[in-house]
Amino acid sequence: KQEVTQIPAALSVPEGENLVLNCSFTDSAIYNLQWFRQDPGKGLTSLLLIQSSQREQTSGRLNASLDKSSGRSTLYIAASQPGDSATYLCAVSYSGNTPLVFGKGTRLSVIA
Amino acid sequence: NAGVTQTPKFQVLKTGQSMTLQCAQDMNHEYMSWYRQDPGMGLRLIHYSVGAGITDQGEVPNGYNVSRSTTEDFPLRLLSAAPSQTSVYFCASSLRTSGTGELFFGEGSRLTVL
Repeated sequence: KQEVTQIPAALSVPEGENLVLNCSFTDSAIYNLQWFRQDPGKGLTSLLLIQSSQREQTSGRLNASLDKSSGRSTLYIAASQPGDSATYLCAVSYSGNTPLVFGKGTRLSVIA
Repeated sequence: NAGVTQTPKFQVLKTGQSMTLQCAQDMNHEYMSWYRQDPGMGLRLIHYSVGAGITDQGEVPNGYNVSRSTTEDFPLRLLSAAPSQTSVYFCASSLRTSGTGELFFGEGSRLTVL
C-alpha cells in the first residue's frame, strides 16, 4: 500500500527560526508531490508542486525539495513568522488515475 | 474568481436523514473530488470524477452517492446519515483529468450526525 508519512506531527519554534518539515513516501515511482497549508477551520491551499523530474521548487520563503530515490521531500521555511502557524500536508500522486495519497500533516506553531 | 465553493458550511442531521453537500467550481476543471477529514485519519477520498458523466469510487465510498451532470457541479449525497459520517468534508478540483495537477480545495462543510 502506498503511504505518506509526515514526522513530527507537531512542531513549535520561535519566530525567526529556519525550519524543515519532512515527508516520506513508500513508493518512489511518483508523478509529482504537492505541499499544502491548512489553517484551522479552513480548506487546504496548495503551496508548491514538484514534478518527478524536478529536484526543488521555490516560492518566496518556501523551498520544497524532492529526492525520489530515498522517498523523501522536505519543505524549508526561512525566517519563520507567527503567520506561518498552520498544518502543512504533503500529498503524492502516481501515474494514471490513482488518487492523491496524503500525509496526516505537521502542525506548526511559530511563537512570537 | 470564486474557485471552489461548498455549501452548506455547517449542518446537523439526525441518524437516518439524507442530505446533499453542494460543490461548484468556476475554473473549468475536469477533475473534481470529495474528501473527508477526521482527526488521526487524515484526508480520505470518497468519490471523484474525471469529467461530466464520469464518476468513480475512492477509498471510503460506502454511504455516499455522487453524480456529475455538468463540469461545474459535483454534489455529494448522504443517503441515510450515520454518526460515523460526522466529519469535515472537502471538495477539490484540478485542471488535469487524472487529478495530478495542482489541487484546489473548498473551505469545507462540517457535518454532525446525531
